[in-house]
Amino acid sequence: SQKIEQNSEALNIQEGKTATLTCNYTNYSPAYLQWYRQDPGRGPVFLLLIRENEKEKRKERLKVTFDTTLKQSLFHITASQPADSATYLCALDGENAGNMLTFGGGTRLMVKP
Amino acid sequence: DTGVSQNPRHKITKRGQNVTFRCDPISEHNRLYWYRQTLGQGPEFLTYFQNEAQLEKSRLLSDRFSAERPKGSFSTLEIQRTEQGDSAMYLCASSFGTAYNEQFFGPGTRLTVL
Repeated sequence: SQKIEQNSEALNIQEGKTATLTCNYTNYSPAYLQWYRQDPGRGPVFLLLIRENEKEKRKERLKVTFDTTLKQSLFHITASQPADSATYLCALDGENAGNMLTFGGGTRLMVKP
Repeated sequence: DTGVSQNPRHKITKRGQNVTFRCDPISEHNRLYWYRQTLGQGPEFLTYFQNEAQLEKSRLLSDRFSAERPKGSFSTLEIQRTEQGDSAMYLCASSFGTAYNEQFFGPGTRLTVL
């Protein structure tokens, strides 16, 4: 079955630096990949979607890359701020026309002032 | 607020009792999803509706779980004969159009089974 791996250890960085989070997957070739942000006690919030034929996508301080050969997506936050501290989840479309999302376990990001 | 809403936000119940949760999606969204999330894990897909039709159900979903979306608007998720392992956050999400669009999540219902 498909498996999605995100670093379960928290990522601690200093304010102003670039945060890079990794999402690796196996046993599947997704048509698209999404990144979400989740704050404690709240539902996930959509950030970016990247399709299999796109190598990179940007939105303000966010950048996502998608390497279908390596089966990996990287999520970058440039000029990080303490307000960026949250858990970041990657999600891949399911096996049936993308009607479901399969989420990774998420990586907690802590940005220190 | 026109986002996805869920009620109740918290539910504490005793093992063996039945519970029902409600989700009100964004009004024009035709797709509705239920997920379950435990601490330290990502959301796990449970079931999916397109309008009033339940089109997908996770193989992991016990037959104690049932979901409805009778008029293609709000949805309910019922868990019968709750077990301690059912304790989790139950998230509802909605989206519009194709399967490739972003999903909008509600705040979730946290269930604790004693």
